[in-house]
Amino acid sequence: NAGVTQTPKFQVLKTGQSMTLQCAQDMNHEYMSWYRQDPGMGLRLIHYSVGAGITDQGEVPNGYNVSRSTTEDFPLRLLSAAPSQTSVYFCASGTVKNSPLHFGNGTRLTVT
Amino acid sequence: AQSVTQLDSQVPVFEEAPVELRCNYSSSVSVYLFWYVQYPNQGLQLLLKYLSGSTLVKGINGFEAEFNKSQTSFHLRKPSVHISDTAEYFCAVSVYNTNAGKSTFGDGTTLTVKP
Repeated sequence: NAGVTQTPKFQVLKTGQSMTLQCAQDMNHEYMSWYRQDPGMGLRLIHYSVGAGITDQGEVPNGYNVSRSTTEDFPLRLLSAAPSQTSVYFCASGTVKNSPLHFGNGTRLTVT
Repeated sequence: AQSVTQLDSQVPVFEEAPVELRCNYSSSVSVYLFWYVQYPNQGLQLLLKYLSGSTLVKGINGFEAEFNKSQTSFHLRKPSVHISDTAEYFCAVSVYNTNAGKSTFGDGTTLTVKP
């Protein structure tokens, strides 16, 4: 039972570099989302998807892109990393209605 | 839009003592309510949820929570805590009949259980 798998676990980037955070789930969940967690600020929704080919913005989408070509995968792209994007990123999935979220173990990103 | 306020950012408590973590929410429509727990260096796990029915819900690890619609609260309780309950706890709310994945989270409460 893999659940929600995120890679990498840790990443250090220089300002201006790009990278993709990977997220995969094996539960056939329609819904997938990306959150960032910053100290004292809880979790803030970046982008989400309700199915393959459908994505939408959350609370803090600027600086991030997503796509959903398959049910299983939902990568998060940083096109030009900034120090303000230093955070812990969580991917989560769930069924569309009434369900709680299943979270990955997070990616700790540092931008210098 | 809905919002969640966790009234205590840190709660220290001694082992075997009772604990209450407080959560208030604001919404103009009916909501679903959740508590999640996050252990160090891990993702969040569902502790319990309120969707409908009985206002007292029981979760894993001996935790329970009571939904109070008039006070718009969903406080989490445990009668006797263990060292292993040390973690961060998040209250979350989502609007009725929408995807719970669009939940709004509180800022979290760090529970520290001391021997």
